Amino acid sequence: DQQVKQNSPSLSVQEGRISILNCDYTNSMFDYFLWYKKYPAEGPTFLISISSIKDKNEDGRFTVFLNKSAKHLSLHIVPSQPGDSAVYFCAASEGRGSTLGRLYFGRGTQLTVWP
Amino acid sequence: DVKVTQSSRYLVKRTGEKVFLECVQDMDHENMFWYRQDPGLGLRLIYFSYDVKMKEKGDIPEGYSVSREKKERFSLILESASTNQTSMYLCASRPPWASNQPQHFGDGTRLSIL
Repeated sequence: DQQVKQNSPSLSVQEGRISILNCDYTNSMFDYFLWYKKYPAEGPTFLISISSIKDKNEDGRFTVFLNKSAKHLSLHIVPSQPGDSAVYFCAASEGRGSTLGRLYFGRGTQLTVWP
Repeated sequence: DVKVTQSSRYLVKRTGEKVFLECVQDMDHENMFWYRQDPGLGLRLIYFSYDVKMKEKGDIPEGYSVSREKKERFSLILESASTNQTSMYLCASRPPWASNQPQHFGDGTRLSIL
């Protein structure tokens, strides 16, 4: 059973507008959340993360929001650019202080930004 | 910057062959991971290792084994390759000393089993 879910397999957004990618999780022990971006024929690249002690984290055009009560996080990209077109994976890990660092991934959302 | 290097970008093998996928990281990371990525299924964890000679099964270990003889190198072995193991294989590493650290990925090996 998937513990991290990305229910939208694809999202299409016009250049300059906001892209919102959503992610839900079921395990209340998760306390660290990440977003990765993946281009075809390349490995995933770490984009941004958030700890469960925060509800928002920003890095340039990228902002991640965490709603712990709803077990939901989202990634906002503003403004969206054609180079942002990629598959975005949401991931989570549990156990603050854990040394194993195992991540649980969603199935990904293909973002397409058109001019 | 962390560098995770996978030995091959593309590999074609035959059914029944024993296949070795190699991964090397240059940051002295204790934790290393092997995933496969398939369309619509995301990244699925095959095996991971938190120290030399230590290994843990992930979610889909059947048909695979791993070897971690040196800290920097983590090998994935397909004991007898089958066509359903055609996939993109991704290696990652991460330091253990901080609880909140991202995994860093290699560029992947696109493996085709004929």
